[in-house]
Amino acid sequence: GQNIDQPTEMTATEGAIVQINCTYQTSGFNGLFWYQQHAGEAPTFLSYNVLDGLEEKGRFSSFLSRSKGYSYLLLKELQMKDSASYLCAVMDSNYQLIWGAGTKLIIKP
Amino acid sequence: IAGITQAPTSQILAAGRRMTLRCTQDMRHNAMYWYRQDLGLGLRLIHYSNTAGTTGKGEVPDGYSVSRANTDDFPLTLASAVPSQTSVYFCASSGGPVLSGANVLTFGAGSRLTVL
Repeated sequence: GQNIDQPTEMTATEGAIVQINCTYQTSGFNGLFWYQQHAGEAPTFLSYNVLDGLEEKGRFSSFLSRSKGYSYLLLKELQMKDSASYLCAVMDSNYQLIWGAGTKLIIKP
Repeated sequence: IAGITQAPTSQILAAGRRMTLRCTQDMRHNAMYWYRQDLGLGLRLIHYSNTAGTTGKGEVPDGYSVSRANTDDFPLTLASAVPSQTSVYFCASSGGPVLSGANVLTFGAGSRLTVL
């Protein structure tokens, strides 16, 4: 079956750096997405990786290794507003999105 | 403001009742989707529509139906609600080519449904 694994919850300190990992086993691969979801709100798009390597976008970076079935989202200079759930999703060979359960990130002052 | 509007925001419903969740987008996106989100689980696709006039079944379609009479509207109907359909429902749309990896989803704010 298809599976996306990410930690359920992580805690980090304001101003620090945190890395949220995502491993996947899917039938085919057409890209990996990260979405941010604040409590009670809709998910919003953060990043998309289809080739191996690091994509940087301001304080957020996303890395992909297709051979390892692995991605991470790196958040730098953490702010209190970064407290949210981070959803990893993979598009399989049928262009269907497979979603992880999300990682709840708690930022402490 | 361009985006997706969902209604109602929240609803408590007796089991056996019929319920329609409304979804309207003003971005002229071709593809629309309905997901449910439950604690501890990833988003699960209920139904989708690649373009007006067509619909398809997702991962968990049983007990739900959709229609796509025009580009903007994509209502989700529960014919006879059951407690296991208690969930948060998100409507989403995407404007990229359907068979494309870079197909970013825009989500509505969600509809919280409780079936008693």
